[in-house]
Amino acid sequence: EVQLVESGGGLVQPGGSLRLSCVASGFTFSDYWMTWVRQAPGKGLEWVANINQDGSEKYYVDSVRGRFTISRDNAKNSMNLQMNSLRADDTAVYYCARDGRRELVYWGQGTLVTVSS
Amino acid sequence: DIHMTQSPSSLSASVGDRVTITCRASQSISNYLNWYQQKPGKAPKVLIYAISSLQSGVPSRFSGSGSGTDFTLTISSLQPEDFATYYCQQSYSTPCTFGPGTKVDIK
Repeated sequence: EVQLVESGGGLVQPGGSLRLSCVASGFTFSDYWMTWVRQAPGKGLEWVANINQDGSEKYYVDSVRGRFTISRDNAKNSMNLQMNSLRADDTAVYYCARDGRRELVYWGQGTLVTVSS
Repeated sequence: DIHMTQSPSSLSASVGDRVTITCRASQSISNYLNWYQQKPGKAPKVLIYAISSLQSGVPSRFSGSGSGTDFTLTISSLQPEDFATYYCQQSYSTPCTFGPGTKVDIK
């Protein structure tokens, strides 16, 4: 059974940093692109970033480029999102997801990030 | 970036109704169009990928169609468990943008 478990969310002050992790199981992690998607409270889904199988390709939405860094450790079946210079509008539930052909087939349960003073 | 729109933003329907949701991309996205269902407090679930391919385990009352920039999700006979929010997403180019969502609730 495929499982994706996010962790690392919490309350952080504006300008602060947070590192999210996603641990995968039930599939060969190194075979798949992985993606982060976020959802602000009461709002829609926003694609944040993705990373290819060996970590050599990374893409970001403009609003986080230069502040967030996506990475992965295939030996540990994990993906991370380092978030720096956090702003109030980064407040959201952050989901990790595994790509299929080009769709997001499996999702974690999400971890809540709250940016507030 | 490719901009996705959806209509309507919300709709009220009854069990057994046929429901159609439309999605439009700001440029041609070939067949890289996916549909997701999300229920409150839960992660999204993929229903349809590549315009019209049904994800394994998804009931056949869900179907997708369209081409180029205009796409449709149809629920042939709405069931109680289908009341949810539906999102389209393009995976043609990054960022792989989502539509704003369509909330389907009970009439």
